[in-house]
This record gives sequence, structure tokens and C-alpha cells, in this order.
Amino acid sequence: GNSVTQMEGPVTLSEEAFLTINCTYTATGYPSLFWYVQYPGEGLQLLLKATKADDKGSNKGFEATYRKETTSFHLEKGSVQVSDSAVYFCALSAQYGQNFVFGPGTRLSVLP
Amino acid sequence: DTEVTQTPKHLVMGMTNKKSLKCEQHMGHRAMYWYKQKAKKPPELMFVYSYEKLSINESVPSRFSPECPNSSLLNLHLHALQPEDSALYLCASSRGTGSGANVLTFGAGSRLTVL
Repeated sequence: GNSVTQMEGPVTLSEEAFLTINCTYTATGYPSLFWYVQYPGEGLQLLLKATKADDKGSNKGFEATYRKETTSFHLEKGSVQVSDSAVYFCALSAQYGQNFVFGPGTRLSVLP
Repeated sequence: DTEVTQTPKHLVMGMTNKKSLKCEQHMGHRAMYWYKQKAKKPPELMFVYSYEKLSINESVPSRFSPECPNSSLLNLHLHALQPEDSALYLCASSRGTGSGANVLTFGAGSRLTVL
């Protein structure tokens, strides 16, 4: 079946540090890939997406590239801020079927 | 309007109570979802409605009863819940359910506590 694996953390960084959160997936066909962010006490917000191989999604300084050869969609940001502290979920939407699969989430804490 | 609105934000209920969670979207989305999220866990799919018809029920206990009165509204009726049902209940919607249309927009959630 389809699945998403990501580093669970918690990840603690200092402000302005470089961020990488690894995400790999297993899926048949060509899924769409997503990063969602959940701030404390809130629902999930779409951060970025990519729908085909080699696509790069970007938003708010975050980037992720759809790598079919390594089945990965790693999230990166060059300089994190305290306001980036949240839980980040990698997810896929299968090419076939209705299911949307989430990874376990990575909790990020950014210290001033 | 690019929002999914959920009410109430917080709900406390006893095990014998009957209550409902409500969800509304005006983006013209034709698929709506209920998810349950426990602390430090990803959301777990409960139900999917596609074009106002229930298309997925992930073996959810009958004490949770979904209802989709129209394409903009989704309810979750709660009855005889257990303390372990305490969680954040998230509503989401998408344009459709096929690949490419399946980008989920989430509400802020309803935090349920069962005493």
C-alpha cells in the first residue's frame, strides 16, 4: 500500500539555522506530494505541493523537490524563524483511489 | 472564500450526551472529509463524502454518525462517546477525489473532551 516516512523529531534549531526534514514515500504510479504545517492549537495548512517528478514546490521560504528516483520530497528552508515552530506533515495523494496518506509528523522548535 | 469553518472550537460532553460538530465551506468543493487527530499523531481519516454521498467509512464506530445536508455542509453527530474519543476533529474539503483534484483544505478543528 501507499505510505509516507519522515523523521519524527523533535527537531530543535536556533533562529537562522538551515532546516531539512526528510520525507520518503512508497506509492504505485505517480502520486502528488505535499507538505502541511500545523501550528499549535490549529488545523493543518497546505505549505507546498508538487504534482510530478522534478517539480519544486515553494512557499514562505520553504522548498521541496519531487525526486522520483529516490522517492523523496525533503523539506528545506535556508533560515528558520521562531515563528516556524510547528509540526510538519509530509503527505501524498495517490494517483489511483481517494486516499490521502500522511507521514507521522515532525515537530520543529526554533529557539531565539 | 478559501476557508473551511468548523464549530464549535471546543466541546466538552458526558458519555450520555448527544452533540454535533459542524463544518462549512463555500469554495465549491465537492468532497468533504472528517479526520480524527490524537495528540502528537497525524490525522486519521474517518469519513469521506463525494458529491454529498458517503463514499468512505473507515470502520468508524456507530457512535459517530456523519451527515452531509448539502454540498457546503458536513455534520458529525456524536452519541454515547467514550473518554478515548477525546481528540481534535478536523474537517477538510477538496475539489474532488481524483488525482490532481485531491488537495485538502482543512478547518481549524473542534477539540472534543469526553468526560
